[in-house]
Amino acid sequence: DAGITQSPRHKVTETGTPVTLRCHQTENHRYMYWYRQDPGHGLRLIHYSYGVKDTDKGEVSDGYSVSRSKTEDFLLTLESATSSQTSVYFCAISEGQGSTDTQYFGPGTRLTVL
Amino acid sequence: GESVGLHLPTLSVQEGDNSIINCAYSNSASDYFIWYKQESGKGPQFIIDIRSNMDKRQGQRVTVLLNKTVKHLSLQIAATQPGDSAVYFCAENMYEDSSYKLIFGSGTRLLVRP
Repeated sequence: DAGITQSPRHKVTETGTPVTLRCHQTENHRYMYWYRQDPGHGLRLIHYSYGVKDTDKGEVSDGYSVSRSKTEDFLLTLESATSSQTSVYFCAISEGQGSTDTQYFGPGTRLTVL
Repeated sequence: GESVGLHLPTLSVQEGDNSIINCAYSNSASDYFIWYKQESGKGPQFIIDIRSNMDKRQGQRVTVLLNKTVKHLSLQIAATQPGDSAVYFCAENMYEDSSYKLIFGSGTRLLVRP
């Protein structure tokens, strides 16, 4: 998984609780991404980061926030989890965001919101 | 496995046969394409890529063909093995809103019969 770890790998939580997912990379890549994967929707971009403290929204950012205080760590926070946020979350990294930059994915976190 | 889709198109092949997985992309201006393999419980894994100035690229047992005229990609797997069973996604690197974003197809499930 290209030097990418995600934690936790599985989490069950209740509606209304805050949840933070962590992505850690050892590749020193500048760009990091959070996706969610759901049946019928494929992979959808939530947020991405283009450097320390530099982030931007993706396609499905509502209800999520992110932070990047170090190059190697990118955190995804659900301030108040809802059942619609039950999903599998993948972190990805890339060296750049040019036309031929490849993204490499972590192992995923399965989140269940009851 | 992880949420890769309940109603994915499925290709079933006999072990040892060749597999061809097809993908249509949306933007004629996209200039970089990637095939990913996702095994149950894992993140998408990079297989092979191709730039728009090429129409064919070969890897180990895999070949990607690009037909820009009809916006079509295909992934050919030679001598398919049980370990090739997975969901395969194509992705196009699309320039939108001043940045490049990976847009994923919905995926095809490959089942290899022993």
